[in-house]
Amino acid sequence: QITLKESGPTLVKPTQTLTLTCTFSGFSLSTSGVGVGWIRQPPGKALEWLALIYWDDDKRYSPSLKNRLTITKDTSKNQVVLTMTNMDPVDTGTYYCAHLYCSTSRCYGDNWFDPWGQGTLVTVSS
Amino acid sequence: DIQMTQSPSSLSASVGDRVTITCRASQSITTRLNWYQQKPGKAPKVLIYAASSLQSGVPSRFSGGGSGTDFTLTISSLQPEDFATYYCQQSYVSPRTFGQGTKVEIK
Repeated sequence: QITLKESGPTLVKPTQTLTLTCTFSGFSLSTSGVGVGWIRQPPGKALEWLALIYWDDDKRYSPSLKNRLTITKDTSKNQVVLTMTNMDPVDTGTYYCAHLYCSTSRCYGDNWFDPWGQGTLVTVSS
Repeated sequence: DIQMTQSPSSLSASVGDRVTITCRASQSITTRLNWYQQKPGKAPKVLIYAASSLQSGVPSRFSGGGSGTDFTLTISSLQPEDFATYYCQQSYVSPRTFGQGTKVEIK
């Protein structure tokens, strides 16, 4: 059974850096065809895809946030870390991490997020 | 980025109704389209992947279709537990963008 859980601060000040950790079990990020992504959701709004890291350490970022995001993995700890710099009140929302399921071992085909963590609410306010 | 546009943004329906939600991509994504269901205060859950494949454990009243730029999610007979917000997501290329969501409410 795959599970993921997000952890990190619930309140950050404007201009600070946010560091979120996704701790998972039930799979290894050193196995081919596996990834972990981060998605956020402002209160009452839609889902926004942020970043993705693959088993081979390939990384993808949202272009609109690329300059502010860094995603890394620690396979020995079963963790993925997302950092977001220069936080602003518009960054307030629930941040989710999710397991990326790929239909092929090299992840060239269909892929989807399943399952997701429970999410963590981050508020940006002075 | 590929833009994903869902319609309608919200709908009201009764238990037993047939409901169809559409999702349009700004360019062809072949069949790289997923559908998620999100209930208030909960994380999203995948219903359909690869446009038409039903995720294990998801009731058969849910079905997906389409290819290229136009896709549909159909609930054949709406049940009380189906009142939620539904999102499409393209998995063709990063960023793997989501639609703006369709909220299904009780009539």
